[in-house]
Amino acid sequence: ILNVEQSPQSLHVQEGDSTNFTCSFPSSNFYALHWYRWETAKSPEALFVMTLNGDEKKKGRISATLNTKEGYSYLYIKGSQPEDSATYLCAFISNFGNEKLTFGTGTRLTIIP
Amino acid sequence: DAGVIQSPRHEVTEMGQEVTLRCKPISGHDYLFWYRQTMMRGLELLIYFNNNVPIDDSGMPEDRFSAKMPNASFSTLKIQPSEPRDSAVYFCASSLVRKNTEAFFGQGTRLTVV
Repeated sequence: ILNVEQSPQSLHVQEGDSTNFTCSFPSSNFYALHWYRWETAKSPEALFVMTLNGDEKKKGRISATLNTKEGYSYLYIKGSQPEDSATYLCAFISNFGNEKLTFGTGTRLTIIP
Repeated sequence: DAGVIQSPRHEVTEMGQEVTLRCKPISGHDYLFWYRQTMMRGLELLIYFNNNVPIDDSGMPEDRFSAKMPNASFSTLKIQPSEPRDSAVYFCASSLVRKNTEAFFGQGTRLTVV
């Protein structure tokens, strides 16, 4: 069983503030890590796909870093806006030779106007 | 492409009835995944297919659940007989063959078994 953990489970952030949260995954047999954004009543949408240790990806005010040696990834949101309110999921793929995405339980982010 | 299409969006059924959920993946995608979302366990993988062949069904809760992919453009998830604890949102997702590409999700089917 692959253990993918996210923390915190939920987070309330004032509009305009920056925030970050964590995804922990097995450091052995790493292949890729995905981040998804999941708005209420919608389906998850991919933010980033990360494969290399030290990767840093950015999309607008959202960025992510990856440390495969120690098994964690951070997602950062700069200058939070109400539209950033969503659940952020990470998903791990091992290099056992299959495409299985194992998801964490997510961080539910609420931006307070 | 219209994306991953799931039907129905909502299903309410009585305990003991058969339920069939449907999914049309994005054209050209080689992988299809069925996930179930619950409050307790988040998104859990039930089964996935590669080129229409089931690869890993270890997440299927029990024999009441079955999934098929008769061709590259259609998959079904069937629950027979359904039970109230099966109530959840079921998502279908598809992706390209390369492991470093993202999965695209359908809108989900909200199943309520009463």
